[in-house]
Amino acid sequence: KNEVEQSPQNLTAQEGEFITINCSYSVGISALHWLQQHPGGGIVSLFMLSSGKKKHGRLIATINIQEKHSSLHITASHPRDSAVYICAGYYGGATNKLIFGTGTLLAVQP
Amino acid sequence: EAGVAQSPRYKIIEKRQSVAFWCNPISGHATLYWYQQILGQGPKLLIQFQNNGVVDDSQLPKDRFSAERLKGVDSTLKIQPAKLEDSAVYLCASSFTLGQPQHFGDGTRLSIL
Repeated sequence: KNEVEQSPQNLTAQEGEFITINCSYSVGISALHWLQQHPGGGIVSLFMLSSGKKKHGRLIATINIQEKHSSLHITASHPRDSAVYICAGYYGGATNKLIFGTGTLLAVQP
Repeated sequence: EAGVAQSPRYKIIEKRQSVAFWCNPISGHATLYWYQQILGQGPKLLIQFQNNGVVDDSQLPKDRFSAERLKGVDSTLKIQPAKLEDSAVYLCASSFTLGQPQHFGDGTRLSIL
């Protein structure tokens, strides 16, 4: 069983729609990282959170520790939001390893 | 602040050849990571350094892959000899220290012919 699971794997939306990407994680993960990767590009860190909610521009990330679930929301989506969104969990301990989900490929159509 | 720098951006080689990638982390970041990302998959950690010491290299194929961070700043990752299955994007990341958010470079896309 994957330690970090994302859904959906693929998502197509119309410009302006509200988008939600979900992430479930297993016991032992102390914090979650939401990342964005454009085709052929590097990875950009969006949020790191261990509790509550964070907002940056049109992006909102929430985490429910009891349910071991996190969501990334995009309000008023735009074609430039098209990218792969990756949820990654930090395990505690000496190395604090980052375990990645397989990503959600988002395409926002004009 | 300057980000994580990687070079080259792209590399094409034939199988059995050697290749090296370079990474310069954000200034002051003690922890450096090398990841391998095969198309359609999430990144997989190859090796993690804390300053010039190796913290985790459990998933590094040591028969062909090697990495060093001799002065605790920049790092090189080498593959010798390359196999077809090594075709991937190699990402470097750094963080201020263990447990802090990781910042990623643009990656090196490696194609093996």
